[in-house]
Amino acid sequence: SQTIHQWPATLVQPVGSPLSLECTVEGTSNPNLYWYRQAAGRGLQLLFYSVGIGQISSEVPQNLSASRPQDRQFILSSKKLLLSDSGFYLCAWSARDNQPQHFGDGTRLSIL
Amino acid sequence: AQSVTQPDIHITVSEGASLELRCNYSYGATPYLFWYVQSPGQGLQLLLKYFSGDTLVQGIKGFEAEFKRSQSSFNLRKPSVHWSDAAEYFCAVGPLSGYSTLTFGKGTMLLVSP
Repeated sequence: SQTIHQWPATLVQPVGSPLSLECTVEGTSNPNLYWYRQAAGRGLQLLFYSVGIGQISSEVPQNLSASRPQDRQFILSSKKLLLSDSGFYLCAWSARDNQPQHFGDGTRLSIL
Repeated sequence: AQSVTQPDIHITVSEGASLELRCNYSYGATPYLFWYVQSPGQGLQLLLKYFSGDTLVQGIKGFEAEFKRSQSSFNLRKPSVHWSDAAEYFCAVGPLSGYSTLTFGKGTMLLVSP
């Protein structure tokens, strides 16, 4: 069966520090991969999605970037974190377009 | 552009009572519809999906949803709510064919009173 792993579960970072969140999927090949940010009362905001290695689409211009160095690995990064980057970050995968997305357990990011 | 509206931000239901969570969508083609549930501090879990066939779909944990094309709705129901159902629920829509990402509603928080 397929599984998705996200880490770390929680992270506290100072303003201006770099960020790297990692997501990996097991048990499937060539998945679509997604990064979302969730803020209270605002639902899920799609940040990036990827349909293959090295292929990244950005939905919202911002302080973050994403990379897909391997088929089942998706990384969310920032060179310098802002206070506004605080939130709950979720990674998801789907078998192909428009199939159900399956989510990781999320990373709670707090910026001090 | 596609959109999803969940008109209720919070709903409180007594344990054992029935539940209906509303979802309305705006989409220019035949939609692919989903309901997800999220417990505090956790990821989203898929409850059910609809893309064709019987407009009443069954999901996990005793949930069901009914697709009504004329009303552009996909409401989630459960006949008897359990305390463990307290969570946030998200409706999502995507195209049935062609490439696009899903659009999520802003969620409905379900509180269950004893």
